[in-house]
Amino acid sequence: EVQLVESGGGLVQPGGSLRLSCAASGFAFEDYAMHWVRQAPGKGLEWVSGINWNNGGIAYADSVKGRFTISRDNAKKSLYLQMHSLGVEDTALYYCAKDRLPTVAALDAFNIWGPGTMVTVSS
Amino acid sequence: DIVLTQSPDSLAVSLGARATLNCKSSQSVLHSPTNKNYLAWYQQKPGQSPKLLIYWASTRESGVPDRFSGGGSGTDFTLTISSLQAEDVAVYFCQQHYSSPLTFGGGTKVEIK
Repeated sequence: EVQLVESGGGLVQPGGSLRLSCAASGFAFEDYAMHWVRQAPGKGLEWVSGINWNNGGIAYADSVKGRFTISRDNAKKSLYLQMHSLGVEDTALYYCAKDRLPTVAALDAFNIWGPGTMVTVSS
Repeated sequence: DIVLTQSPDSLAVSLGARATLNCKSSQSVLHSPTNKNYLAWYQQKPGQSPKLLIYWASTRESGVPDRFSGGGSGTDFTLTISSLQAEDVAVYFCQQHYSSPLTFGGGTKVEIK
């Protein structure tokens, strides 16, 4: 079964850091671009960051550029999001998502999503 | 950045009736070399992760019921539910995957009248 499972969320104080992980199974992880998408409570979806299959192509939303770093370990079939300088506006459910096709550019629809991990930034 | 505007914000439709959702893009998402519109639709039911329904504006993802159809090109797109079922109550989002940063519309909430 194709599956993504996020972990690492929790409660953190403003200005703090957190590292999210996403464990993939059931598909050739190394062939696909991967993304982080977040959803603030009661709000819509916001793409956060994407990374292509070999770490050669990385992009970020302006709202997180310079504070968040996406990375992947194909041998461990894992995706990561290192978050620094967290603010209350970063409070959200963070989803890991997979590109539909194994293309070079991380520009595709997302056909598999994880259940998400909640990040709460509060003092 | 490409801005996607969805309308209406919410929609109440009778069981068995047609629901039409709109998504307007601030720029064309038509990829000329492939003649494909890089526009996707997702369904998010309460408490669940989003689910891909439609990609390339009009291609149904495997396993998606044929009452769901996508249309449009360039900057104007629609998602149609031909005969609304109780299990279709959800928020529907459009997304452009034409250029980075990838962006989503604000969503349309579909309810039963």
